[in-house]
Amino acid sequence: SQQGEEDPQALSIQEGENATMNCSYKTSINNLQWYRQNSGRGLVHLILIRSNEREKHSGRLRVTLDTSKKSSSLLITASRAADTASYFCATGPRTGANSKLTFGKGITLSVRP
Amino acid sequence: SQTIHQWPATLVQPVGSPLSLECTVEGTSNPNLYWYRQAAGRGLQLLFYSVGIGQISSEVPQNLSASRPQDRQFILSSKKLLLSDSGFYLCAGRAAIRGDEQYFGPGTRLTVT
Repeated sequence: SQQGEEDPQALSIQEGENATMNCSYKTSINNLQWYRQNSGRGLVHLILIRSNEREKHSGRLRVTLDTSKKSSSLLITASRAADTASYFCATGPRTGANSKLTFGKGITLSVRP
Repeated sequence: SQTIHQWPATLVQPVGSPLSLECTVEGTSNPNLYWYRQAAGRGLQLLFYSVGIGQISSEVPQNLSASRPQDRQFILSSKKLLLSDSGFYLCAGRAAIRGDEQYFGPGTRLTVT
């Protein structure tokens, strides 16, 4: 079963606006990661946040994690047309050699020029 | 960082034909390797993962198999393809010693006719 569930399933915004995407999960995690996938391409890792962290920044990306609510959000500020893609959250139950990620179904983000 | 190579990029095969998809890794030794399948508009389903040469773990019983003949080579195979094997296949790698993020290849679009 899917561990991460993203919300909304699709998001359409104007260039320059901020995009907020949410992810909820069910079981304890070691870390939560966000990936981007352009149409027909492989996934690209964006950012990782560990269970003992609450917020993390990378360029125009801001990720928050609330382990009490088992949820995370990804904020993309000042969006650009090039941000148009699908975004996935993935949860890692534990670190170590056998760690596997469980991916959600993804959010389709469209940024209108 | 790691670079994941996959080929071919697209493949059209008739039902009942064999399959061999290859994935190779650059930039790291003894990586954990993963095969995922992505159906249209859906998330990623983990098919197989490997923590070393000859070590394969299957996540979903199905018509496919995987092998790891060399440290940086991961192969996905089938003896007889089914229509339901159509999809987008992604290979990913993860450094075994440090880092929890996965690096993805460009993917193979398989259409079984």
